[in-house]
Parts: sequence; C-alpha cells; structure tokens
Amino acid sequence: DAKTTQPNSMESNEEEPVHLPCNHSTISGTDYIHWYRQLPSQGPEYVIHGLTSNVNNRMASLAIAEDRKSSTLILHRATLRDAAVYYCILRSGNTPLVFGKGTRLSVIA
Amino acid sequence: NAGVTQTPKFQVLKTGQSMTLQCAQDMNHNSMYWYRQDPGMGLRLIYYSASEGTTDKGEVPNGYNVSRLNKREFSLRLESAAPSQTSVYFCASSEVGRVNTIYFGEGSWLTVV
Repeated sequence: DAKTTQPNSMESNEEEPVHLPCNHSTISGTDYIHWYRQLPSQGPEYVIHGLTSNVNNRMASLAIAEDRKSSTLILHRATLRDAAVYYCILRSGNTPLVFGKGTRLSVIA
Repeated sequence: NAGVTQTPKFQVLKTGQSMTLQCAQDMNHNSMYWYRQDPGMGLRLIYYSASEGTTDKGEVPNGYNVSRLNKREFSLRLESAAPSQTSVYFCASSEVGRVNTIYFGEGSWLTVV
C-alpha cells in the first residue's frame, strides 16, 4: 500500500481556517485520496475523498496538487468539535483502509 | 439510524479466557472489517470480509478468528485472550464499489488482565 506522511499534531484557533497537509509521493494512478477523522472515544468517520480535482463538501475541502503527490484538507472555520485525529489514506478500489498515525488537531477557544 | 452496532462496549477478561465480539450493520453492505487500535496508534486491520461467505486476513490476524454469519453480522473471536490483545476494537462496513465510504462502529474496549 502506498504510504502517506502527515504532521503528528497541529493547533488552530477557533473559527480560523485549518490546512492539514498530507504527502503521498508514491501515489499510483488508481489511488483515491481519502480523509477520515476520529473524534475522541469514537470510531473514525468519513470526511472527504478525491482523485485529481479539488473537492468540496459540507464538512471540508480537499485540495490536490497537480502532480498528486500531496494534498491538503481544509477546514474553513475550525470549531471545538473539529478537534480530532485526521487520517489521510490512499485507497485503490475496494481494498480495506490502511491507517497511519494521522494528525492530531487541537482547536483553541 | 443504527448503522454499525458493536457489542459489548466494554469487557474485562482474564488471560486465557475466550470471548466473541459481535458486530451487525443495517445498511445492506457487502464488506465488513475488524480493526484494533492501541493507545496513540492508528487502526490496524485484523480481518475483513469482502462479501458474505468470504474472509481474509489483515495486518494482525494472529490470536483471532472471525465468522461472517450472514450479510449483516461479522463476529470476532478471541480463543485464548492475552494481555497483548488489550485494545479498542472497531467493526466497520462498506458497500462494494470503486469509491465507497466505510462506516465504523463506536468501538469495543477490551482489557485482558
């Protein structure tokens, strides 16, 4: 499985935008970029995914570099409820998700 | 909106005891998964079932067995629990497709003493 590299932790002020980076230099042409997050004491939940183009949904935006070797998850206005571990995962087809350690996001009021 | 339901939520076992973690999903998904998560770590795949009647080993299958009882249910059994199996266990399910969302249960906290 292709690997991703994320910072261990990041901090943000409440109501400010947050940019969570992810490097995936060995991504293959069939890999989708998925983001999941895990709130404290809960199971992971889906955030967003993309292949080549930038994507937006009600939770976040995903910016994908032109060469697809990196991506950035954007939370437009961080709230205290967004404090979680964010996982950037490459996935091809119907294979199971392979989790790294993710980025622990702290949000300061 | 039940989604993925795991039982029990908390369990304490003695070394050598056996137990089964139950998982059921009500979304008519074909694929189901069992992960474990140790403190400060990401989730690691134990076993998965791509469809009813099939099961495959994941990254850390030793010490575990699974049963895909039907399309809804996927159980994880510890035959002889060890302290190293103290962990949080997550069941998940997804539909088959090129890109599909995986839905996770709330977790089962297992302590082996």
